[in-house]
Parts: sequence; C-alpha cells; structure tokens
Amino acid sequence: SQQGEEDPQALSIQEGENATMNCSYKTSINNLQWYRQNSGRGLVHLILIRSNEREKHSGRLRVTLDTSKKSSSLLITASRAADTASYFCATVRNAGGTSYGKLTFGQGTILTVHP
Amino acid sequence: DADVTQTPRNRITKTGKRIMLECSQTKGHDRMYWYRQDPGLGLRLIYYSFDVKDINKGEISDGYSVSRQAQAKFSLSLESAIPNQTALYFCATSDFSGFGELFFGEGSRLTVL
Repeated sequence: SQQGEEDPQALSIQEGENATMNCSYKTSINNLQWYRQNSGRGLVHLILIRSNEREKHSGRLRVTLDTSKKSSSLLITASRAADTASYFCATVRNAGGTSYGKLTFGQGTILTVHP
Repeated sequence: DADVTQTPRNRITKTGKRIMLECSQTKGHDRMYWYRQDPGLGLRLIYYSFDVKDINKGEISDGYSVSRQAQAKFSLSLESAIPNQTALYFCATSDFSGFGELFFGEGSRLTVL
C-alpha cells in the first residue's frame, strides 16, 4: 500500500502565484523527501526533511513536516512556467527488522503554471 | 554523462517476446532499484539490490526478473512480455543505508502490443 497520499492530484495556477502541495502518511518515518518529475523524464530529488525537523528551505521551496499529524507540505513561491511538473513525496522508514531504510512514493501532484 | 543511464529509452515489442532493460551507474552506490510508473499510480517498486549477491523483490515483481552483473549494472527482464506491462520503467540508485535520496535514470518507455 502507498505510504504517502498527496493532495491535490492536480493544481493549476498563474505565474507568480504560490503553489502548495500536501502529503499525508500513515506510519512513523525517518525522513520525508520531495521529488520533481518533468513530463516523461526521470525524477529529481528536491529536498529531504528529517523526522526531527519541522521546516526546511531551498531557494523558492519551503517544506514543512508535522509528525503529529503525519503530514508534510511543499510550498513553491513565486511560481514560474518552468515549475510545471509532477511533484512526488516519498516517505522513508525503517524496513521491518532491519537498520535499513525503505522508501515509498506517493501518487504525485501535477502542477501546471500558466504564463 | 548521466550518473544513471538506462537503455533502451524506448522500445516497442510484441506479446510473448523477451525484453531486457539495462541500467548502469557511475555514482558508486551499492543500492539499485527498478521502478515501474503508470499514470495515476505513482512509482511502484519491482526489485531492488544491495549488491551483486543480494536481490530482493519489491511490491510488483511477478512477471519480472533482474540480474545484478556488477556493482554498477542492474538489468530488468520481462521473460514473456504482456500488454499490461506497458509502462515507463525507471532505474534508480541510492547509498547503502536506504535513507538517502534516490538518483534516477531518464526512464525506458516500453510498449507491448
């Protein structure tokens, strides 16, 4: 079963607006990661936030993590047409009975930024 | 050159044919993965490998097999392709712990007629 559930499934905004995507999960995690995928291309890692962190920034990206609500959000500020892509959250937790991590992807949010 | 290279990038084949997708990496990572992506279903893990002697099934391994020929090479085979295996396939790598980020190839689009 999918660990991460993303909301909304699709988001359409105008250039210059902010875009917010949400990810909810079911079990405790070690970290949560966000990836971007341009149409038909490979996924590219954007940011990793650990379970003991609440907020992280990278350029125009802001990620928050609320472990009590088991949710994360990705905010893209001042969006550009080039931000048009699919965005995936991925939760990482300990693989059962081991010291290794297991990563599970959500279904993604399709973001369209209109010029 | 890309850190993770997949070949072929596109392939059209017929039902019943054997297909191999290949992946090579220059990241020096121990872990390699094969994922399948279908519209609306996100990425699903097919197989993953810690090293050449350690290969593990993912959530959708039926109908697929893999071979880890070397630390840098991980291939995915469809012994007898069927139309519902039409999808975009990704190879990825990560460090040994599995807690870090994944590095993806550009994908192999497979169409089974």
